[in-house]
Amino acid sequence: SQELEQSPQSLIVQEGKNLTINCTSSKTLYGLYWYKQKYGEGLIFLMMLQKGGEEKSHEKITAKLDEKKQQSSLHITASQPSHAGIYLCGADSGDDKIIFGKGTRLHILP
Amino acid sequence: DAGITQSPRHKVTETGTPVTLRCHQTENHRYMYWYRQDPGHGLRLIHYSYGVKDTDKGEVSDGYSVSRSKTEDFLLTLESATSSQTSVYFCAIMGAPDNSWANVLTFGAGSRLTVL
Repeated sequence: SQELEQSPQSLIVQEGKNLTINCTSSKTLYGLYWYKQKYGEGLIFLMMLQKGGEEKSHEKITAKLDEKKQQSSLHITASQPSHAGIYLCGADSGDDKIIFGKGTRLHILP
Repeated sequence: DAGITQSPRHKVTETGTPVTLRCHQTENHRYMYWYRQDPGHGLRLIHYSYGVKDTDKGEVSDGYSVSRSKTEDFLLTLESATSSQTSVYFCAIMGAPDNSWANVLTFGAGSRLTVL
């Protein structure tokens, strides 16, 4: 079965700094989702990547899917307190089962 | 919000009692999912549905059953709740947002279940 591994598990960065979160799949990705969850709240859709080499940006967040479609990265530029939360990557593991990684907890220090 | 509601939002129950969580959508989407979220485990798929009366198991289906008698409702039942089922449960629907061709998951606000 497909598994998604996220790294790091937890990240503490100073406000204004850049950061990267990685998501690695045990199998080829046919669709990779990035979600954000504020502590104690629901999940918010950020971006979806499907094509090898694809890159999407929204405000200060950029996500990329590598050419081999087994790894994705999420990059935040000039982090702000509003970026704090849990970031989860998800993928279709086949038969329309959407599975997720364990998440990366991001803390932003003022 | 995208037209997905979960009920109840909070529930405390005792070991051995049955519990049913409801997920209701107004989007007429075909796919619906139930996940549980626990510290250290992330989000794990319990069951999902690809149509009325069409359901399948996810990663952690033991101890859970589901039913979907109509498009808008997807019920998750714990026949005899155990303390290990204390968790936050999220329902999600799969569909294309406005002006998009790609299907994405939209999540409900979550149901926090405590089994004593």
